[in-house]
Amino acid sequence: DQQVKQNSPSLSVQEGRISILNCDYTNSMFDYFLWYKKYPAEGPTFLISISSIKDKNEDGRFTVFLNKSAKHLSLHIVPSQPGDSAVYFCAASAQFSGGGADGLTFGKGTHLIIQP
Amino acid sequence: GAVVSQHPSRVICKSGTSVKIECRSLDFQATTMFWYRQFPKQSLMLMATSNEGSKATYEQGVEKDKFLINHASLTLSTLTVTSAHPEDSSFYICSALRTGRGEQFFGPGTRLTVL
Repeated sequence: DQQVKQNSPSLSVQEGRISILNCDYTNSMFDYFLWYKKYPAEGPTFLISISSIKDKNEDGRFTVFLNKSAKHLSLHIVPSQPGDSAVYFCAASAQFSGGGADGLTFGKGTHLIIQP
Repeated sequence: GAVVSQHPSRVICKSGTSVKIECRSLDFQATTMFWYRQFPKQSLMLMATSNEGSKATYEQGVEKDKFLINHASLTLSTLTVTSAHPEDSSFYICSALRTGRGEQFFGPGTRLTVL
């Protein structure tokens, strides 16, 4: 049973446009959500996170939106740049309800391709 | 800050041998570290939670006698794959939870190939 789902295996976006990556979750205990960027044969790099008490968090070109009622979050990248091409993983944890030290549950990732 | 290293970055071994992978938090203390495994084109799957000074907590389906975890200090956790078999070939990634913070910082990963 996959608790974090990224239904788009890949996404192609033109340089300069907005990239929107989506993520759905099923576990209502999740209260902390993160986005990671990953290249092959490397560890994930943290991008941005959001706790369940917020519905938006912004950091530079990256904005994460959380819709708790829909159990859905999205990552917006604007403007998209060629260096953004990578696999993006959505991850979740029951951090606060789980006592503060919880492993992450990852989605399967979305391969973002930025076309020049 | 918040750098996590792993050693070795890649290892090739014969079936039946044991392999140790080290995970170090270089500039912060980590009471808790995590070990993940990623198969090709798959998600990262949590294997176990490593707590400094206590026994590791393993996820369902992960054999604790096969994947030995030792978290002897606040900056080092080791994963030993005992009696490795070809099906253990995978990309193993650790992460460290900075004490008092919520973010996990990931190491660069270790590619294990068992012949």
